Amino acid sequence: QKEVEQDPGPLSVPEGAIVSLNCTYSNSAFQYFMWYRQYSRKGPELLMYTYSSGNKEDGRFTAQVDKSSKYISLFIRDSQPSDSATYLCAMITGGTSYGKLTFGQGTILTVHP
Amino acid sequence: ETGVTQTPRHLVMGMTNKKSLKCEQHLGHNAMYWYKQSAKKPLELMFVYSLEERVENNSVPSRFSPECPNSSHLFLHLHTLQPEDSALYLCASSQATATETQYFGPGTRLLVL
Repeated sequence: QKEVEQDPGPLSVPEGAIVSLNCTYSNSAFQYFMWYRQYSRKGPELLMYTYSSGNKEDGRFTAQVDKSSKYISLFIRDSQPSDSATYLCAMITGGTSYGKLTFGQGTILTVHP
Repeated sequence: ETGVTQTPRHLVMGMTNKKSLKCEQHLGHNAMYWYKQSAKKPLELMFVYSLEERVENNSVPSRFSPECPNSSHLFLHLHTLQPEDSALYLCASSQATATETQYFGPGTRLLVL
């Protein structure tokens, strides 16, 4: 079983739609949760970073963590064509002198005008 | 130059060649990482240099050899690669703690013929 499961999509939505991206994980030691966005021909860039269960909002983006269910989500409101990218969830257990990230497979999102 | 840079951006090599990938970070970080990104697979951490300590993924073949001469520069030396090594190789940097954000370069797209 993979430590982090993420539906690879692809996901295609019309402009203005609400997008829901999800990851599940099996390792209860994961304490820190991230969403990265990766545009074509670019490296991943951090979008959201959360620690505790609950919601964190940043503009049109909301990250949700449910540690009891081992489930994290990223919601994108009023999606735009510029949101078209691959979205990667990532997790850390902590306790190391470096960032030992475990990534999901990534979900390819296309927002069409 | 700002952020994390990588050269070359694209590389085609035969199985008997030797080549090197270069990464440079301009963020004052003291940890650097090499990742492999293959189609339909999660990002795979290959090597980490954190505070001059090297950490490696034991599943990485010996035909990949990292070098970190100082905290700003990182190399990945390649020799006698296989076609299945074709992938996007990403460099990242962060402060040397478990939870600091990692900043990625644009990657080197490698094709092994």
